Amino acid sequence: AQSVTQLGSHVSVSEGALVLLRCNYSSSVPPYLFWYVQYPNQGLQLLLKYTSAATLVKGINGFEAEFKKSETSFHLTKPSAHMSDAAEYFCAVSPPGANNLFFGTGTRLTVIP
Amino acid sequence: DGGITQSPKYLFRKEGQNVTLSCEQNLNHDAMYWYRQDPGQGLRLIYYSQIVNDFQKGDIAEGYSVSREKKESFPLTVTSAQKNPTAFYLCASSVQGTGTASPFFGPGTRLTVL
Repeated sequence: AQSVTQLGSHVSVSEGALVLLRCNYSSSVPPYLFWYVQYPNQGLQLLLKYTSAATLVKGINGFEAEFKKSETSFHLTKPSAHMSDAAEYFCAVSPPGANNLFFGTGTRLTVIP
Repeated sequence: DGGITQSPKYLFRKEGQNVTLSCEQNLNHDAMYWYRQDPGQGLRLIYYSQIVNDFQKGDIAEGYSVSREKKESFPLTVTSAQKNPTAFYLCASSVQGTGTASPFFGPGTRLTVL
């Protein structure tokens, strides 16, 4: 069965500091991986996705993530946090050939002025 | 502009009543999905449809029903059999129901049972 683990349900960083949100997956075959962002009472917006091309994926709003097969990880980073980055972030996985996504439980990012 | 419309944004229901949540997309996507979101649990798949007149149960389909009579529309009915229906419901669509096609999400409907 596919599963996604997001370490840390809440992460706080200072404005201008590095953002690191962790995501690990369990799969016997490298899946497709996604990061979404959700602002309060809104739907989810795609930040970036890995589909077996380059292992370092660049997304919107200055975010990027690196696929590491040996660590079964797909951590999300941003060099310098902005106040507008405060939101909930979801990692999701889709096994090759699957018809839907499996989501992690989310990480709420707080940015401290 | 292309997108997904979910209505209403907020919905209140009395216990024992069925209620239908609307989802319409003008993206010409084949696949559509319904997810339920509860605090601290992420998103869980209720139903999905890869093509008109066809749909499959997701992980938590009990107490829910769907139809897919038109490509653009995928309404979700929350029946009285759903024991704990208060949640945030998200509809999504994608070009096709395969892993590389990242779903596009609607704004959601928050359902509260009184």
